[in-house]
Amino acid sequence: DQQVKQNSPSLSVQEGRISILNCDYTNSMFDYFLWYKKYPAEGPTFLISISSIKDKNEDGRFTVFLNKSAKHLSLHIVPSQPGDSAVYFCAASADRGSTLGRLYFGRGTQLTVWP
Amino acid sequence: NAGVTQTPKFQVLKTGQSMTLQCAQDMNHEYMSWYRQDPGMGLRLIHYSVGAGITDQGEVPNGYNVSRSTTEDFPLRLLSAAPSQTSVYFCASSYSFVRPYEQYFGPGTRLTVT
Repeated sequence: DQQVKQNSPSLSVQEGRISILNCDYTNSMFDYFLWYKKYPAEGPTFLISISSIKDKNEDGRFTVFLNKSAKHLSLHIVPSQPGDSAVYFCAASADRGSTLGRLYFGRGTQLTVWP
Repeated sequence: NAGVTQTPKFQVLKTGQSMTLQCAQDMNHEYMSWYRQDPGMGLRLIHYSVGAGITDQGEVPNGYNVSRSTTEDFPLRLLSAAPSQTSVYFCASSYSFVRPYEQYFGPGTRLTVT
């Protein structure tokens, strides 16, 4: 059973507007969350992360929001640019128990930013 | 720094054949891992290692073996290839084994088993 879920396989946004990518998780032991970006024929690259002690982390145009009570996080990209078109993966980890040392990934959301 | 390198980039195998996917990193990272990516399935962890001589299973370890004799190398062996192992394989490494976030990924190996 998937512990990290990205329920929207695709998102299409006009250049300059906001892109919001969503992610839900089921395991309450997860305490660190990450977003990765992947272009075709390349490996994923780390984008931004957030610890469970925070509810927001910002890096330039990218902001991640965490709602622990809802077990939900989102990635906001403002303003969106055509170069942001890629697959975005949400991932989660825990620092204890049987999940120590593992990252759990969602299935990804294909973002397309059109001019 | 070359980062994480993977060879080969593409491979076609017949059912029952064996092969080794190579992965190397030059960042002195303790943590290394192998994932497979299938359409609509995201990335699934096959095996991982928290240091030389130490490996453990991930979510989908069946049909694969790993070993870690050096910090730099983490090869993935397919013992007897099956069509279900057709996938894109990514190797990744991270400085921290307690918090394997911010992993650096290789470019991937696209494997087809006929």
